[in-house]
Amino acid sequence: DVKVTQSSRYLVKRTGEKVFLECVQDMDHENMFWYRQDPGLGLRLIYFSYDVKMKEKGDIPEGYSVSREKKERFSLILESASTNQTSMYLCASKQDLVYGYTFGSGTRLTVV
Amino acid sequence: QKEVEQNSGPLSVPEGAIASLNCTYSDRVSQSFFWYRQYSGKSPELIMSIYSNGDKEDGRFTAQLNKASQYVSLLIRDSQPSDSATYLCAVNNNNDMRFGAGTRLTVKP
Repeated sequence: DVKVTQSSRYLVKRTGEKVFLECVQDMDHENMFWYRQDPGLGLRLIYFSYDVKMKEKGDIPEGYSVSREKKERFSLILESASTNQTSMYLCASKQDLVYGYTFGSGTRLTVV
Repeated sequence: QKEVEQNSGPLSVPEGAIASLNCTYSDRVSQSFFWYRQYSGKSPELIMSIYSNGDKEDGRFTAQLNKASQYVSLLIRDSQPSDSATYLCAVNNNNDMRFGAGTRLTVKP
């Protein structure tokens, strides 16, 4: 069964901390994505990557960065966590331009 | 104007009825269309994809696409309480996937 694995289901971090969210897929997919999901705002794209060491900004990249050193791993970094970054973070991958996503199970991050 | 619009609901149907979920999109050159189901506290799960005009059936689910009207829908026949979830419509153009805000469906026993 194909999988996208997010390292943490729940995280609580303090304001100002540097936070790493990890995502690993075992499907050899080229394309990987990071979204956040908030009530009333839906899914919003933070960053995505077409290939190793490639990254593109999504709709809300401010306060975030990403790293893709290996094809299977796409990391989201909160440089200095703030309370407005409290959210559900979802990683997704897909093989081709026209196919749908496979989502990870999500990380619910709370910044206090 | 929102790129992908869905009625937020909640939509409530009795068990065994047909649930009809609708979605409109603004980008005329969109190529592929998806429906995701999301249970409360869980991540979205892909349940249907459709690429050409017409109907596509998979078990109790039927996706319908009308590119001229920029409209895509999902029908759930013989609705079950386990179908109670939020359904997200997604529209893809190349590598740009846009999601609707979702319709919350409740199936009452």
